[in-house]
Amino acid sequence: GQNIDQPTEMTATEGAIVQINCTYQTSGFNGLFWYQQHAGEAPTFLSYNVLDGLEEKGRFSSFLSRSKGYSYLLLKELQMKDSASYLCAVLDSNYQLIWGAGTKLIIKP
Amino acid sequence: EAQVTQNPRYLITVTGKKLTVTCSQNMNHEYMSWYRQDPGLGLRQIYYSMNVEVTDKGDVPEGYKVSRKEKRNFPLILESPSPNQTSLYFCASSLSGEPYNEQFFGPGTRLTVL
Repeated sequence: GQNIDQPTEMTATEGAIVQINCTYQTSGFNGLFWYQQHAGEAPTFLSYNVLDGLEEKGRFSSFLSRSKGYSYLLLKELQMKDSASYLCAVLDSNYQLIWGAGTKLIIKP
Repeated sequence: EAQVTQNPRYLITVTGKKLTVTCSQNMNHEYMSWYRQDPGLGLRQIYYSMNVEVTDKGDVPEGYKVSRKEKRNFPLILESPSPNQTSLYFCASSLSGEPYNEQFFGPGTRLTVL
């Protein structure tokens, strides 16, 4: 079966750095997405990785290792507005999106 | 403003009473999709549409119908809702059916079936 694993919940402090991991076992791989979803709102796109390595976008970076079936989202200089759920999704060999259940990130002052 | 809109945002209904949730996008996107989101589960795709008059089943299509008569609209129809369809529903669109395109999501419709 296909599976995406993310921690259910994480807590971090304002101004700090946090890394949210995502591991996947899917039938094939055609890219990995990260979306941010604030409580009660729609998901919004953060990043797309299809090649190994780190991609940086301001305070947010996303890393991919295809050989390990692993990705992480790195958030720097955390702000209270970063409190949200972070969704990992993988495109499988049929180009279907498989979604993880999301990681709820709580930021404390 | 480029956006995806859904109506209604909240709906409480009873078992068996047909309902339609509308979805509209103003970005001239070809690809549209419906998801449901339940606690502890990832987003699950119900139906998707690559373009006008082209629709396909997603992972959980049972109990749902869709149509795509115009590019901008993609309504979700529940002919005979049941309590297990109580969920948060999102409509999404993207520029094309190319799967690596980011999806733009509507604000969500919270449906309760009693």
